[in-house]
Amino acid sequence: AQSVSQHNHHVILSEAASLELGCNYSYGGTVNLFWYVQYPGQHLQLLLKYFSGDPLVKGIKGFEAEFIKSKFSFNLRKPSVQWSDTAEYFCAVNARTAGNKLTFGGGTRVLVKP
Amino acid sequence: DTAVSQTPKYLVTQMGNDKSIKCEQNLGHDTMYWYKQDSKKFLKIMFSYNNKELIINETVPNRFSPKSPDKAHLNLHINSLELGDSAVYFCASSQAESQPQHFGDGTRLSIL
Repeated sequence: AQSVSQHNHHVILSEAASLELGCNYSYGGTVNLFWYVQYPGQHLQLLLKYFSGDPLVKGIKGFEAEFIKSKFSFNLRKPSVQWSDTAEYFCAVNARTAGNKLTFGGGTRVLVKP
Repeated sequence: DTAVSQTPKYLVTQMGNDKSIKCEQNLGHDTMYWYKQDSKKFLKIMFSYNNKELIINETVPNRFSPKSPDKAHLNLHINSLELGDSAVYFCASSQAESQPQHFGDGTRLSIL
């Protein structure tokens, strides 16, 4: 079945550490890729998106993601995290082959220790 | 001003009751959605509407009935509530189906 996979369910790291969250998808054809963040008790907010062009995408709050088409991946990175980055992170894929339905990965809970 | 607003924020009710959640967006978007987020934070789409027309209807019990009186509103009515309906329900909107979605604050539904 077509899906979106996030490999890490929980990540714990200290402030100033680097963060990388993995995301793989199984859709063929044209895809739009997103990372959303959900801070504790809040709604989902868009971090960044990839539609086309430069596969290295920069988002808000110092986050970036790299689209690697050959690996069907869209990993999220941040060089130096802060305590305020503690949140749940969701990768999402919108694929024409899936009727443009936005499918979310299972989420990765990130805890940044001060 | 809140872009996507949904009410109520919390809903506590008993099994078997009927309840509604309302959603309104002031972004001028054409497409609106309902998602269910379970206790493990897994997000799954339930419905999407484009300009008041149903586009996506996932495998959702027919106890759930969305209604879109106009393209700025998408309400969710749930009949005969069951324990398994306990979750956070998020409304969202986007300019088009492939565009980024803006989410409401969620409605936490608890069934006693």
